Amino acid sequence: GENVEQHPSTLSVQEGDSAVIKCTYSDSASNYFPWYKQELGKRPQLIIDIRSNVGEKKDQRIAVTLNKTAKHFSLHITETQPEDSAVYFCAASKRKANDYKLSFGAGTTVTVRA
Amino acid sequence: KAGVTQTPRYLIKTRGQQVTLSCSPISGHRSVSWYQQTPGQGLQFLFEYFSETQRNKGNFPGRFSGRQFSNSRSEMNVSTLELGDSALYLCASSLWRGSADTQYFGPGTRLTVL
Repeated sequence: GENVEQHPSTLSVQEGDSAVIKCTYSDSASNYFPWYKQELGKRPQLIIDIRSNVGEKKDQRIAVTLNKTAKHFSLHITETQPEDSAVYFCAASKRKANDYKLSFGAGTTVTVRA
Repeated sequence: KAGVTQTPRYLIKTRGQQVTLSCSPISGHRSVSWYQQTPGQGLQFLFEYFSETQRNKGNFPGRFSGRQFSNSRSEMNVSTLELGDSALYLCASSLWRGSADTQYFGPGTRLTVL
């Protein structure tokens, strides 16, 4: 099955700095890569996603890059703010008959220091 | 549109009992997936239902089961509860098949097994 590894497990950044989280996946057939943000006691919320036909996608301060050859994708948060403090999960899935499921990374706890 | 809802939000059970959790997807969404979230194992896929049929299943014992109704609402059942079943159980709905489309999570049911 798919194995998603996520690094680092914790990340502390100064407000205004950038944060980068990296994930690798094992199954070359994976073609959908969402990122979820989970604040303490709340549900995971999709913040950005990318599909395998795109190398980079940006939404305001958040961007995701994908390298299919190397089987890794990254989340970039610029100009971090205190409200960016949360646990971030990457995930991967593939469009294959009867094999739809999200495989998640272990999560990265991001703390933005004011 | 109303988001994904889950009931109950909190449950306390004792070992050996069984429990049923409910998930109501976003209106119009036909796919419901279930995940178990624990500090040690992270987010793990349980199963996916689409059009009242289980389409995919994760690596969980047969004590974990589920079903989906014609209105897309889904239930999951855990029989013969064990201490290790204590977790946050999240369901996620998507318009079409499971993780091929964006999944939106519910708030979760916090299950504590004593």
